[in-house]
Amino acid sequence: GENVEQHPSTLSVQEGDSAVIKCTYSDSASNYFPWYKQELGKRPQLIIDIRSNVGEKKDQRIAVTLNKTAKHFSLHITETQPEDSAVYFCATGGTSYGKLTFGQGTILTVHP
Amino acid sequence: DVKVTQSSRYLVKRTGEKVFLECVQDMDHENMFWYRQDPGLGLRLIYFSYDVKMKEKGDIPEGYSVSREKKERFSLILESASTNQTSMYLCASSPSDRGREQYFGPGTRLTVT
Repeated sequence: GENVEQHPSTLSVQEGDSAVIKCTYSDSASNYFPWYKQELGKRPQLIIDIRSNVGEKKDQRIAVTLNKTAKHFSLHITETQPEDSAVYFCATGGTSYGKLTFGQGTILTVHP
Repeated sequence: DVKVTQSSRYLVKRTGEKVFLECVQDMDHENMFWYRQDPGLGLRLIYFSYDVKMKEKGDIPEGYSVSREKKERFSLILESASTNQTSMYLCASSPSDRGREQYFGPGTRLTVT
């Protein structure tokens, strides 16, 4: 089955810095790559996703890049703010019904 | 607005008890999922269902079973709870198409003593 590795497990940055989280996957048939944000005590929520026919997608301060050849994708957050502090999960899907395989999560802390 | 609800936010059960966790979604989604969330392990899929009465094992189905008698409701059953099943349980739903957003419930924090 699919295996998704996410790094780093924790990331600490100063407000205004950029943050990058990377994921690698094993199933070359995966074609959907979402990122979820989970704030403390809350449910995970989709913040951005990308499909395999696109190499990069941006939405204001967040962007996702995909390298299908190397089987990795990354989340980039620019001009970080304290409210960006959360756990971020990458996932892959598109091969089996609506099933997603999640990475282990990254705890992002943005210090004011 | 998509709404996924779970029957309890917190639950404490004793070892050996039968435990039912219920999930209800109001968006007419075909797919429903049960995950457990543990620190450092991410979200691990226990079971999912793509239609009423249909179910598929996920990555960690041992010790769990599921039931989907109605489209909007998906139940997770722990036949005989054990302490290693202490965890946060998250339910999610999504439309039938592949590669679609999953909508999560608020989670149930289960403690087995």
